[in-house]
Amino acid sequence: GAVVSQHPSWVICKSGTSVKIECRSLDFQATTMFWYRQFPKQSLMLMATSNEGSKATYEQGVEKDKFLINHASLTLSTLTVTSAHPEDSSFYICSARGRADYEQYFGPGTRLTVT
Amino acid sequence: GQNIDQPTEMTATEGAIVQINCTYQTSGFNGLFWYQQHAGEAPTFLSYNVLDGLEEKGRFSSFLSRSKGYSYLLLKELQMKDSASYLCAVRDSNYQLIWGAGTKLIIKP
Repeated sequence: GAVVSQHPSWVICKSGTSVKIECRSLDFQATTMFWYRQFPKQSLMLMATSNEGSKATYEQGVEKDKFLINHASLTLSTLTVTSAHPEDSSFYICSARGRADYEQYFGPGTRLTVT
Repeated sequence: GQNIDQPTEMTATEGAIVQINCTYQTSGFNGLFWYQQHAGEAPTFLSYNVLDGLEEKGRFSSFLSRSKGYSYLLLKELQMKDSASYLCAVRDSNYQLIWGAGTKLIIKP
């Protein structure tokens, strides 16, 4: 099946710094990638949808200037959490969808802790 | 608004059968998904239903009734490793996935 990787798998950073998370589709071309956030014991919350070569579409309540998304190629999307604060600590998961597939393939997730 | 309902938590015994229900109200329907998520891990795909009826895949089966806005995931011959959260998600008319809050399944020996 299709594989999606994320890097890093976990990161600890200080408040006020920025963190970049990479999401790669390893064996297929992902025309659309999704970024989710999940707090403990809660369901997935869609943050934004990105299509290759165009600007991301952010969900209501998600600050586009704080969560910068770049989908520069068909195999790579990045999420940058700028000026991170402790309340940004969460599990960030990306998923990718190919042109022909009905399914979304999930990356393993990145656990961000902001101290 | 769009809404997906599923029980918060269920408990079952190893070797038994459990059915996890999901009801939905969405703007349009382009398929229903079930995912399994172990604690601290990303979701993994279990099943996809777009037409009414039962889809069977090994120990797991998923059923859909579009007219009733209802689905269930049936797990047979439960194993301890099946302890996880099970997420129901519906793809709406915009091809966005609308997620349920998940059902935490606890398996007891």
